[in-house]
Amino acid sequence: EVQLLESGGGLVQPGGSLRLSCAASGFTSNTYAMSWVRQAPGKGLEWVSGISGSGGSTYYADSGKGRFTISRDIPKNTVHLQMNSLRAEDTAVYFCAKVSMATGPYFDYWGQGTLVTVSS
Amino acid sequence: QSVLTQPPSVSGAPGQRVTISCTGSSSNIGAGYDVHWYQQLPGTAPKLLIHGNTNRPSGVPDRFSGSKSGTSASLAITGLQAEDEADYYCQSYDRSLSGSVFGGGTKLTVL
Repeated sequence: EVQLLESGGGLVQPGGSLRLSCAASGFTSNTYAMSWVRQAPGKGLEWVSGISGSGGSTYYADSGKGRFTISRDIPKNTVHLQMNSLRAEDTAVYFCAKVSMATGPYFDYWGQGTLVTVSS
Repeated sequence: QSVLTQPPSVSGAPGQRVTISCTGSSSNIGAGYDVHWYQQLPGTAPKLLIHGNTNRPSGVPDRFSGSKSGTSASLAITGLQAEDEADYYCQSYDRSLSGSVFGGGTKLTVL
């Protein structure tokens, strides 16, 4: 059974940093790309970042470019999202998702999410 | 402003059929990228409902179906049930943005 478990969320001041983690189980993690998707309170879903199975390719939405860094620890089946220079508008629940491919990527499994609150 | 456009809300009585539209552009749906649909029940993570425009993952009832034409796609739900009350999101890939894009979400109310 595929399971994704996020951790690392919390309250951080504007300009601060936070590192999110996603522990994967039930599949060979280096075979699949992974992504982070966020949802601001009362709002819709927004893709944030993605990483290839090997970790050699990374992708970012404009909202996080230059501030967020995605990485993966293949032996530990874990994906991380390092978030720097955080802003109030980064406040959201951050979901980790396993990526599958059709003509374009989609997200076939999701974690339960971790809440990031950016506030002074 | 989402790249993919969905109606904010739809509603229907139990047993009825409803459809949710998802309109994109020539850089995403119209460029040939597949559309995928997710169901998000209140307070929970999204769940994959339809992938590759028309395909249901194992365990998803055949009351849910998807279609795609041109720059748009639709999700149809037949035989509405109270448990279908949720938010529904479409998703595709945008070649101009080089990333995945979502619709703004549609809240389904079962009357």
